[in-house]
Amino acid sequence: AQTVTQSQPEMSVQEAETVTLSCTYDTSENNYYLFWYKQPPSRQMILVIRQEAYKQQNATENRFSVNFQKAAKSFSLKISDSQLGDTAMYFCAFMKPRLDYGQNFVFGPGTRLSVLP
Amino acid sequence: EAQVTQNPRYLITVTGKKLTVTCSQNMNHEYMSWYRQDPGLGLRQIYYSMNVEVTDKGDVPEGYKVSRKEKRNFPLILESPSPNQTSLYFCASSRRTPGLAGVIPDTQYFGPGTRLTVL
Repeated sequence: AQTVTQSQPEMSVQEAETVTLSCTYDTSENNYYLFWYKQPPSRQMILVIRQEAYKQQNATENRFSVNFQKAAKSFSLKISDSQLGDTAMYFCAFMKPRLDYGQNFVFGPGTRLSVLP
Repeated sequence: EAQVTQNPRYLITVTGKKLTVTCSQNMNHEYMSWYRQDPGLGLRQIYYSMNVEVTDKGDVPEGYKVSRKEKRNFPLILESPSPNQTSLYFCASSRRTPGLAGVIPDTQYFGPGTRLTVL
């Protein structure tokens, strides 16, 4: 079974600075997808970024980028120019597509990020 | 507006009293799923459905039932709730696109969450 680990339960960063959230996963699969989701105090789950394992290029979305190291099974999220609205719980997630069209989604335990003014 | 709705948003009940949490999406998505969120454990998948009348167990299905009679609705049923089912529940939906190596995932849209307390 796949597992996802986020070793930093809580982090804080000053506004406008850069922060990196760590995620490692364990799988024997070669084809899979990785995601970062954000959960602000409203509890809504918001997709931040996703990465296809077969793509070597790291995904980016505005101020959010990832460092995907497939051999090391590492998938860290970098937030540049941190804003107060980035304060949230961040979840790393692994998804393995299946031939029967099901999905196997596994989430990490989350990292609570606080952006300080 | 594209959205996933859940009802109720908050529920306090007692052990053994059957309850249903409804989930509905207006995006014509094939795939729907239920998760529970507990501190330190992240989100764990309870059940998922690939289409109407097609459901399967996730990682923590014990004590839950689901049904998918219509494409837009995917209710979660607790026949005899127990205190260990106190949790925050999320419903999610997404399209599914078959690819050469399995389904290609699209963005999962999550509902607002249901906070359930079982006394």
